[in-house]
Formats: sequence, C-alpha cells, structure tokens
Amino acid sequence: DIQMTQSPSSLSASVGDRVTITCRASQSISTYLNWYQQKPGKAPEVLIYEASSLQSGVPSRFSGSGSGTDFTLTISSLQLEDFATYYCQQAYSAPRTFGRGTKLEIK
Amino acid sequence: QVQLQQWGAGLLKPSETLSLTCAVYGGSFSDLYWSWIRQPPGKGLEWIGEINHSGSTNYNPSLKSRVTISLDTSKNHFSLKLNSVTAADTAVYFCAREHYDRFDPWGQGTLVTVSS
Repeated sequence: DIQMTQSPSSLSASVGDRVTITCRASQSISTYLNWYQQKPGKAPEVLIYEASSLQSGVPSRFSGSGSGTDFTLTISSLQLEDFATYYCQQAYSAPRTFGRGTKLEIK
Repeated sequence: QVQLQQWGAGLLKPSETLSLTCAVYGGSFSDLYWSWIRQPPGKGLEWIGEINHSGSTNYNPSLKSRVTISLDTSKNHFSLKLNSVTAADTAVYFCAREHYDRFDPWGQGTLVTVSS
C-alpha cells in the first residue's frame, strides 16, 4: 500500500493568513493526488484533483501543487469557513489511501 | 447532478454482519467505480472497496476476507456487507462515486456502532 504522510497534523491560524499543508507519498504517484475538506459531521468534499486542478465551485484561494512524492495545499487568505480538517488521497493505485488529516483551527 | 443517499443498521453486536445500501440519484452505474469508505470516530479515512457497473470489485486487502460489495442496477443501488464485526469496525461509513480518480460526491454517512 502507498502510505500518505501529512503535516502538520494540526495548525492554528487567523483569518487572512496564508496556510500551507504538505503531503508526502511513500512512492511516486505522479500527479494522482486529491485534496479534501471535511467539516464536523459532514462528508469530505474534494477541493483539488490531479494535484493542482481546482474542483468546480471551489474558491480560487485554494491551490495545489506537486508531483511525484511531494505535494502541497495552499490557502492564500483564510476565511472563517475554511476552518476544517483537510485530507490528501492518492489515486495512483489500489488500495486508495488517505493521509491522517490536518486540523485547521482558529488562533 | 449525482446524489447519493445511504442507509442501514446503526447498532450491531460483535460477530454480526454490517449491511449498508447506497442509492444513486441523477446518474447511472456506467459512471466508473462506486466505493465505500469508513472513518472511525475522531480518526482518518479508510477505503474499504469499490464496484463498477459490470460488477467487478476491488477490496482493501486489510478487509478483503470479510467484505462483499454488490450492486443492483435495476434499483440504482449498491451495497456493503462486512461480516464478523468487532468494536474496531465502529465508524462512520460513507458511500462515494469515484469519478475521474476522485471521490465525488459522497453519501451523508452512517454511524455504525458495534457493542455488546
């Protein structure tokens, strides 16, 4: 199985801050990397697919980059509704695997 | 726009079989793969397995011996069965469509608790 390692596991930030979350794969996955946002009691929603493509309807303050084993999710200017947990997921091979999540909290 | 709605028993005893169903609205099973994913309370996401329109399945090796995913194209449903459950199987279970290598959309989630 491909292991996905996210960092940090938690992060405190303020509205307006620029935030970066990283995800590392245990082997190369090209750009088969997705990012999801999950709010309490809700299902995850895809933000970024294929490492850098913005899902329809997702605000442009979200962006993704990377290829191979190292990936980043950046939120350019945090809004109140962005405080949530974020997961990366590899779509390169089965079984599909997720990172352990990054909980973004209000400072 | 595809929507998923899921249901099933929420409280099981150890050794019983978990059974959940997911209905697909606004789409057809020709849309690639249909998956089940679970999330233990306060923890991360674990992919359980998937099925495509022809009934071909892939399972997570960690659960393969206990999992069966099936589909009923006449009802636009797909289902999950997990046998011999233990407390470690307590989780919120989600159904999801895997569309162009990403899970979208998801069902609303079903909390399944295993307790004697």
